[in-house]
Amino acid sequence: AQKITQTQPGMFVQEKEAVTLDCTYDTSDPSYGLFWYKQPSSGEMIFLIYQGSYDQQNATEGRYSLNFQKARKSANLVISASQLGDSAMYFCAMREDNNNDMRFGAGTRLTVKP
Amino acid sequence: GAVVSQHPSRVICKSGTSVKIECRSLDFQATTMFWYRQFPKQSLMLMATSNEGSKATYEQGVEKDKFLINHASLTLSTLTVTSAHPEDSSFYICTLNPDRSYNEQFFGPGTRLTVL
Repeated sequence: AQKITQTQPGMFVQEKEAVTLDCTYDTSDPSYGLFWYKQPSSGEMIFLIYQGSYDQQNATEGRYSLNFQKARKSANLVISASQLGDSAMYFCAMREDNNNDMRFGAGTRLTVKP
Repeated sequence: GAVVSQHPSRVICKSGTSVKIECRSLDFQATTMFWYRQFPKQSLMLMATSNEGSKATYEQGVEKDKFLINHASLTLSTLTVTSAHPEDSSFYICTLNPDRSYNEQFFGPGTRLTVL
């Protein structure tokens, strides 16, 4: 069974600073994908970044990068140059290739301070 | 543009009534769709996997007779909350992965259900 752990219920960051949101996972499937989503108060799920288990390099998408440490089973999200609009809930998720469903961590509420 | 739509976006109903939520895939044919429930300040919890032309697969602890899922076509899955009670008030989200492409997962905008 897969399990996703986000240990930071809430995080604060100063505008223009970088912040790291932690995510660890557990799976017995050798092939899987890791995802990060942003959920503002409207409730929509906004895809941020994806990392495949066989990808050799860390994924990057604009200000978002994923610090993938496979041996430690961690997939931390790094947001650089934080903006006020980054304030939202952030969810880490995993999808095993043997299953097609997606499981989510508990989430981290990020607040960007001006 | 939106890939997945949900209707209604918000519904308020009286306790004991049934509510149907539709999830439509606008751009893809989806043999499989997923239904999630999200209580306030909590994460998304998978309720069931909706399979076109066959029975849905429910997660442990989810009552299949209470949450009826019908996936009658490749573009439409419906979730019916039967005899809704206040504890069923939640945000319901559907999602799909149209062709198992690993970095694509499309979410509906969600339906906020409030049961009085």
